[in-house]
Amino acid sequence: DAGVIQSPRHEVTEMGQEVTLRCKPISGHDYLFWYRQTMMRGLELLIYFNNNVPIDDSGMPEDRFSAKMPNASFSTLKIQPSEPRDSAVYFCASSYRGGAYEQYFGPGTRLTVT
Amino acid sequence: AQSVTQLDSQVPVFEEAPVELRCNYSSSVSVYLFWYVQYPNQGLQLLLKYLSGSTLVKGINGFEAEFNKSQTSFHLRKPSVHISDTAEYFCAVNTMDSNYQLIWGAGTKLIIKP
Repeated sequence: DAGVIQSPRHEVTEMGQEVTLRCKPISGHDYLFWYRQTMMRGLELLIYFNNNVPIDDSGMPEDRFSAKMPNASFSTLKIQPSEPRDSAVYFCASSYRGGAYEQYFGPGTRLTVT
Repeated sequence: AQSVTQLDSQVPVFEEAPVELRCNYSSSVSVYLFWYVQYPNQGLQLLLKYLSGSTLVKGINGFEAEFNKSQTSFHLRKPSVHISDTAEYFCAVNTMDSNYQLIWGAGTKLIIKP
């Protein structure tokens, strides 16, 4: 398997624009997680899905953020409108099950909002 | 509520010297424990995990960790570090309930001095 795939790897956009980050989890994994990493706040869980259903979105910072998982092999994280404080590295991770099973991380998308 | 504390934000150590990265957790129920490593500009990957059984767990790249239930600790050790171990190390906890989120520590940057 190719591992968790994220695109784009880098995104530079202007404040107010819509940004869409994409993730393809490892085939057969039931859980998908979206994280954000910044120097100030470290690693934060934004939302996670089980079998394509959002389970906990309490980490989503505000209504400008939304995430979808239309099928088992694809998820998106959308920011609309984007703001400079959204600049961060966004990671997608997947796991076979929860609990004892490890999470496999993608390489991340580095987002810069100017 | 569960929490994870990594006591050192940075640990400088000379090459070929031993190192210990400290992790303490707080939980009222049994836990699964993990150490992840993040090399520069990459996603996180699993180093090792404790689920049950022997309290000494061996992982990749010569790392090991010891689970101490009475002290609620899960410290990571390596007897001799190499320059390639330069990375950030994250401790994480998952409790044995229906919540499949990992609770993450803030990370410890391991700095190898030549």
